[in-house]
Amino acid sequence: SYELTQPPSVSVSPGQTARITCSGDALPKQYAYWYQQKPGQAPVLVIYKDSERPSGIPERFSGSSSGTTVTLTISGVQAEDEADYYCQSADSSGTYPWVFGGGTKLTVL
Amino acid sequence: EVQLVQSGAEVKKPGESLKISCKGSGYSFTSYWIGWVRQMPGKGLEWMGIIYPGDSDTRYSPSFQGQVTISADKSISTAYLQWSSLKASDTAMYYCARHPTGGYFDYWGQGTLVTVSS
Repeated sequence: SYELTQPPSVSVSPGQTARITCSGDALPKQYAYWYQQKPGQAPVLVIYKDSERPSGIPERFSGSSSGTTVTLTISGVQAEDEADYYCQSADSSGTYPWVFGGGTKLTVL
Repeated sequence: EVQLVQSGAEVKKPGESLKISCKGSGYSFTSYWIGWVRQMPGKGLEWMGIIYPGDSDTRYSPSFQGQVTISADKSISTAYLQWSSLKASDTAMYYCARHPTGGYFDYWGQGTLVTVSS
């Protein structure tokens, strides 16, 4: 089955830039999506189609893609950005299930 | 405003059956897929399956095929996730989410915590 690989944790100081990566063989062909999940809350979509930002998501959240890796970048990290982040995408044929990465815990020091 | 409101927390014994719900509002319920996502305690998100309420077309992850049943009643804009015989390993938070074209989830319910314990 298809897999997406994320680092378990990323730590940054307030005001710095956080970069969270997600790797998968089909990412050159399939869009990736990113979700933020704070403790005790449901996930929230923060990036869709690799780099698009839903309305209401702060501009400091951005996404990019290069080969088999997509990256979620949070510029000027704030304490409120501390959360788990998950990428999601599909295999090369786009069939279900659309898998999630294992998640990355972002810690704001 | 798009909203997905899920039923409340459940505590069940192994072997019991259960059906949890997810009511959509603020959009055309029959025009979007609805999906279910499992999150076991302290773990990540798992894609379980989706249903298109317009015609009840349903897709399951191989990991959940045969373990759960996804259904919908479009007359009351509600999707369901059900188990015929719960196991302790079904203990988890279950989220429903709206799934537009493209496979992702743009709006999520608040989650339903299912606890299975003897």
